[in-house]
Parts: sequence; C-alpha cells; structure tokens
Amino acid sequence: DAKTTQPPSMDCAEGRAANLPCNHSTISGNEYVYWYRQIHSQGPQYIIHGLKNNETNEMASLIITEDRKSSTLILPHATLRDTAVYYCIVSRTYAGNMLTFGGGTRLMVKP
Amino acid sequence: DAGVTQSPTHLIKTRGQQVTLRCSPKSGHDTVSWYQQALGQGPQFIFQYYEEEERQRGNFPDRFSGHQYPNYSSELNVNALLLGDSALYLCASSGDNKETQYFGPGTRLLVL
Repeated sequence: DAKTTQPPSMDCAEGRAANLPCNHSTISGNEYVYWYRQIHSQGPQYIIHGLKNNETNEMASLIITEDRKSSTLILPHATLRDTAVYYCIVSRTYAGNMLTFGGGTRLMVKP
Repeated sequence: DAGVTQSPTHLIKTRGQQVTLRCSPKSGHDTVSWYQQALGQGPQFIFQYYEEEERQRGNFPDRFSGHQYPNYSSELNVNALLLGDSALYLCASSGDNKETQYFGPGTRLLVL
C-alpha cells in the first residue's frame, strides 16, 4: 500500500472549517483513500473514503486531487469534540486488505 | 445494532503469562482484524480472520495467535508475555463489501 504524509499537528477554531491535508504521491489506481480518527483512548472511528471523486457524508467531505496524489479532509464546522488524531490511509479494498496507520495529524479544536 | 465489542476492557498480566482477548464483530460482518497500538503510535496490523482461517498476517511473532468461531467472533492469544506487549489491542470488523473496517473500543493490556 502507498505511504501517506500528514502534518503532525494542526489547530482550528471552534465553528470554523478544519482542513486536514494528506499527501499520497505513490498511490496506485486500485487504492482508496480512507480517513479515520481516534479520540483519546478510544478505537479509531471511520470517517469517509473515496477512490477519485469527491465524497461527502454527515461527518465530513473528502476532496481528492485530479492526479490523486493528495487529498483534504474537511470538517465543515469543527467542534471541541472533533479534537482527535486523524489518520489518512491508502489501501486497496478487497477481502484481505489491512490498514497501515501512520502517525496521523493531531487536530486541536480551540474555543 | 451493537457495533464491535471487545472484552475485557482492561487487563493486567505479568511477564511470561498468557492472555486471551475477545472480539464480537458488528452484526452482519464476517471478517475480523486485530491491531496493536503502543502508546503514542498508530495501530499496527497483527492478522485478519475470515471463514475461520487466518488470511493475512502482519510482522508479529508466533506468540501471537488467533481464532475465529462459526459465529464470526474472534480471539487473540498472546503467549509468553513481554513488557513490550503492553498496548491497546483493537479489533476491527468488515462485511460483504469489505470497503470499510469498523473498530471496537479496544482492550488495554498492561504487562508487569
């Protein structure tokens, strides 16, 4: 699976949009971009995933560049409860896939 | 609909002992993966079970073994515990589309 690069930490003001970048320049054509987050001492929580089109759900939006070498996770109105470590993962989706977690981005939402 | 559940939530063992951790997947899911998360690091893949067989394995020694039952629940066994095995052990399950893995709350193991 391709490797990802994320900034180690970011701050965001409560109520503002949080834009978390991820670089995955070696991504291959059959690999998806996944985002998970982990609130302190809890299990990772699935947020969203996509292949090449932008995706949106009730939690967030995922913007993937046309060349698929980078992506941005957008939390439109960050709250204090969004403070967590956010992991960007590139993985093939098939019966035997495993998720390779990097260091992630520690997002701190401040009042 | 219950999500992924794990037991116990916390566990303290001493070096050399053996431990068994349990996982019940989300309803309708047939694939279970196990991850180890050391303090301050991201989760590391241990292995995955499907149709009661280990399908894929990460870079972990044979002291780590597992089992999956016909009802899709799973166990993670660790023998000859080392201090370095202290970690949060996470179980994740996935279903028919295999696109998304859902994680349980984890079992925190402390080896003294």
